Amino acid sequence: GEDVEQSLFLSVREGDSSVINCTYTDSSSTYLYWYKQEPGAGLQLLTYIFSNMDMKQDQRLTVLLNKKDKHLSLRIADTQTGDSAIYFCAESNNNNDMRFGAGTRLTVKP
Amino acid sequence: NAGVTQTPKFRVLKTGQSMTLLCAQDMNHEYMYWYRQDPGMGLRLIHYSVGEGTTAKGEVPDGYNVSRLKKQNFLLGLESAAPSQTSVYFCASSRTRSTGELFFGEGSRLTVL
Repeated sequence: GEDVEQSLFLSVREGDSSVINCTYTDSSSTYLYWYKQEPGAGLQLLTYIFSNMDMKQDQRLTVLLNKKDKHLSLRIADTQTGDSAIYFCAESNNNNDMRFGAGTRLTVKP
Repeated sequence: NAGVTQTPKFRVLKTGQSMTLLCAQDMNHEYMYWYRQDPGMGLRLIHYSVGEGTTAKGEVPDGYNVSRLKKQNFLLGLESAAPSQTSVYFCASSRTRSTGELFFGEGSRLTVL
């Protein structure tokens, strides 16, 4: 079946940029998403990108999509300790099926 | 502004016991979902509902049943709990399915001994 993969851990220093990567296999993906999960909480949508876009920027967040390679990334500029969380990549397709990656735990060190 | 509320937040069961998780949303969303989250794995869809009175199977439905008698509530039942059902369960709701912004509850941690 279709799959979404991402590395499980990332550690950065406060003030650095973080880049979280994701790959997916579904050729019919229509939307790709980044969700954030803080400790003890549910997932919250951070941002999403339509599959015909290459890039989307929202304040400190930049999403890059390489549709040919089925690669999605989330860059967080000037990473703060409050950005420490688990970040989930997800994709949906024309059948409205939504798949999530396993999540990348971002640790920001002071 | 409650959003999506799940009860209970924690539960410990013995193998073979039954229980029901309740999800309530106050956003008048048509679509509701139950996911389970296991370490090192993405969220996996158990069951979902596209409206009051409807339910459908997701990726991992075995061992679970659901009901959506009222639009705002989506119940997840375990008739005979097994240790493999130890997990964190998340309920979510959405206005549409196609553009996919899901609103999640805080999760329910279930341990089956």
